[in-house]
Amino acid sequence: GAVVSQHPSRVICKSGTSVKIECRSLDFQATTMFWYRQFPKQSLMLMATSNEGSKATYEQGVEKDKFLINHASLTLSTLTVTSAHPEDSSFYICSARPPRTARNTIYFGEGSWLTVV
Amino acid sequence: QKEVEQNSGPLSVPEGAIASLNCTYSDRVSQSFFWYRQYSGKSPELIMSIYSNGDKEDGRFTAQLNKASQYVSLLIRDSQPSDSATYLCAVGSDYKLSFGAGTTVTVRA
Repeated sequence: GAVVSQHPSRVICKSGTSVKIECRSLDFQATTMFWYRQFPKQSLMLMATSNEGSKATYEQGVEKDKFLINHASLTLSTLTVTSAHPEDSSFYICSARPPRTARNTIYFGEGSWLTVV
Repeated sequence: QKEVEQNSGPLSVPEGAIASLNCTYSDRVSQSFFWYRQYSGKSPELIMSIYSNGDKEDGRFTAQLNKASQYVSLLIRDSQPSDSATYLCAVGSDYKLSFGAGTTVTVRA
């Protein structure tokens, strides 16, 4: 399947600081990427849809000023968690849909574990 | 009401047996249905997709879809210890996917 890479895989940051997570599609161009968050033993929750060259579309209840998404190229989307707090500690996963694939098929990056201390 | 519901499990099956996982969804206009496998601490991996009513087989996996009943299932035949994971049901309409909380499967050697 298609390859989606995320970096870093694990990050620890101090409360009040910001942290950036990168998501790259390695072998295809992705006009749309998705960012999910998953708390332990819970489902994946879609946070936002990242559109290349335009503003991200955020899901209800997700603070767009706290979770900054930038999709500057067809192969890179970034999620910046600003002024992180311990409750932001979670597993953040990006995904992308390759072109010319069956509808709604998406492939996930490896995920990024964020711990805010 | 949750959009996608799954039994959380754990579902424990002996090696070589069939594991049966169920998923129901609430949005009748859903068009695409997926099963993902997620190992602990890892991101989900796509194992099956199904779009039409009926069965779809891929190796030891069979997905079954019944849109009238808003029900999708996954059968894992000849279960192996490596199948021990959490299985996520995902349901899509337009470009969005909604995920269930997952069913944890444990295959006993």
